[in-house]
Amino acid sequence: AQKVTQAQTEISVVEKEDVTLDCVYETRDTTYYLFWYKQPPSGELVFLIRRNSFDEQNEISGRYSWNFQKSTSSFNFTITASQVVDSAVYFCALTPNQAGTALIFGKGTTLSVSS
Amino acid sequence: ETGVTQSPTHLIKTRGQQVTLRCSSQSGHNTVSWYQQALGQGPQFIFQYYREEENGRGNFPPRFSGLQFPNYSSELNVNALELDDSALYLCASSLDSPPGEQFFGPGTRLTVL
Repeated sequence: AQKVTQAQTEISVVEKEDVTLDCVYETRDTTYYLFWYKQPPSGELVFLIRRNSFDEQNEISGRYSWNFQKSTSSFNFTITASQVVDSAVYFCALTPNQAGTALIFGKGTTLSVSS
Repeated sequence: ETGVTQSPTHLIKTRGQQVTLRCSSQSGHNTVSWYQQALGQGPQFIFQYYREEENGRGNFPPRFSGLQFPNYSSELNVNALELDDSALYLCASSLDSPPGEQFFGPGTRLTVL
């Protein structure tokens, strides 16, 4: 069975704080892809990053960074110096490397950044 | 390049009715997936169409059906609506590969009374 767990339901921080969103996944596949999406109040899911299972290199994009650790089946997301515009629901997702398969989402973490 | 659009934005139906939701995929994307997102939950996969044929389905009953058209548009049809069908319905389009990199529309909020 494939599963994505985001244990943090809600996180509240003050602007400029760093925040890490946790994601733990389960899969028996050797090849798979992991994703992070952002869902602002408008509802549209915004793609942030895709990582395949063979690439454990951490990635940094501006204030965003991702830590992929296959040994612990985790794919955590850190926002440095958070801003009010970062307030949204963040979803971690998993998909196997097969045609016709879908994204398996976690339940999401609601991040609230106050000024 | 236009993004993914969905219509209508909001919809209210009563139990037992039928509903059709529409999606216009990004140009050139031959795969469309539909998801149901209940309040406070992550999106759940309904089904996927590739070149006008269903090629993957989640754990949803047959009263959820779909169509994909050659002009990159698609439909989600739900018959015999139930109260639990109230949710945000998201459409996502993608190319054949890489797998899973999907571009989402803004969704249709369906309320069943």
